[in-house]
Amino acid sequence: AQKVTQAQTEISVVEKEDVTLDCVYETRDTTYYLFWYKQPPSGELVFLIRRNSFDEQNEISGRYSWNFQKSTSSFNFTITASQVVDSAVYFCALSEARSSASKIIFGSGTRLSIRP
Amino acid sequence: EAGVAQSPRYKIIEKRQSVAFWCNPISGHATLYWYQQILGQGPKLLIQFQNNGVVDDSQLPKDRFSAERLKGVDSTLKIQPAKLEDSAVYLCASSLGEQTQYFGPGTRLLVL
Repeated sequence: AQKVTQAQTEISVVEKEDVTLDCVYETRDTTYYLFWYKQPPSGELVFLIRRNSFDEQNEISGRYSWNFQKSTSSFNFTITASQVVDSAVYFCALSEARSSASKIIFGSGTRLSIRP
Repeated sequence: EAGVAQSPRYKIIEKRQSVAFWCNPISGHATLYWYQQILGQGPKLLIQFQNNGVVDDSQLPKDRFSAERLKGVDSTLKIQPAKLEDSAVYLCASSLGEQTQYFGPGTRLLVL
């Protein structure tokens, strides 16, 4: 069975600090996708990144970076020099890649608060 | 490009009443999803459509929930009759079959 665990329920840091959100997943599939979504107070889930299980290269996009490690089944997300606008709930998610439209399993989310 | 549209944004009803939510996916997206997100939890898939056919409705409480996507474009999710535990945000998402799902703003339902 597929499962996504986000052990950190809430994180609070001061603006400009770096913060890492942890994500651990379980799957028996050899091919799968991993995602991160951001949910600001407005409620809409905003897509941040998708990573194929065959691509273990880390990715950087501005202040965001992602560390994918298959050996530990982890897909962690780091925000560098955090800003108040980064305050949101962040979800890690997993989907199988067997079909073109597979369902996504979400973690329970990490609520990130950035204090000014 | 317009995103996923949902209406209404908010709905308050009493238990045992009926309610319907509407979703219009991104143009050209064949796959449409309805999720239920209870406060403090991640979204849970209720039903997935591929064009106008149901791909997965294993977690849809079929005794009270129904959904349709008659013309393969927009979709309606209905709850009849509503229970207190149905209070949640109902999210609609669509995808082009590339695994990435794009979400609408959601409908916040409160059942009293």
